[in-house]
Amino acid sequence: AQSVTQLDSQVPVFEEAPVELRCNYSSSVSVYLFWYVQYPNQGLQLLLKYLSGSTLVKGINGFEAEFNKSQTSFHLRKPSVHISDTAEYFCAVSDPQGGSEKLVFGKGTKLTVNP
Amino acid sequence: NAGVTQTPKFRVLKTGQSMTLLCAQDMNHEYMYWYRQDPGMGLRLIHYSVGEGTTAKGEVPDGYNVSRLKKQNFLLGLESAAPSQTSVYFCASSQTSGNTIYFGEGSWLTVV
Repeated sequence: AQSVTQLDSQVPVFEEAPVELRCNYSSSVSVYLFWYVQYPNQGLQLLLKYLSGSTLVKGINGFEAEFNKSQTSFHLRKPSVHISDTAEYFCAVSDPQGGSEKLVFGKGTKLTVNP
Repeated sequence: NAGVTQTPKFRVLKTGQSMTLLCAQDMNHEYMYWYRQDPGMGLRLIHYSVGEGTTAKGEVPDGYNVSRLKKQNFLLGLESAAPSQTSVYFCASSQTSGNTIYFGEGSWLTVV
């Protein structure tokens, strides 16, 4: 079964600093990869996804992620964060053959952007 | 521009009581899901449906039942609530398998 490890449960950064949120997954076969963001007291919103093609994926709000098959990683990056980026971020993986019901979420990384 | 709507948003139950959470989506999606979110646990799939009239168990189905009588609605029932079911519940939907999953805003349930 697939599993996802988000290596940091909390990441504090200062405004305008760069940030990287790390995500590793277990499978070595083809995968679909996702990053979702959850603002306080809200549902999850899709930030970006990798299904195939270019390994560098750009998403909303200036975020991007790079799929690295050899390292089974899908780290999320932003070159300069804003206070409004404070939220919890979830990495998720699914098997292209297995369906959305097989989507497995990591435990989340809480990003806190301080002034 | 409703998307996925959940009701109620907040509920407090006594142990042993029953209740139903309602999820409605207006995107004509085939797939619908119920997740629960607990601190430090991420999201775990309770039940899901791949179309009207179908349901299937997810990762943590015990203590819950679901029904999908209409394509746009997916109901989650707790027959006899337990304190371990205190959680935030999210409904979600997707057009097909592998497509983007859209989430509702959550239902906060406390069982005392």
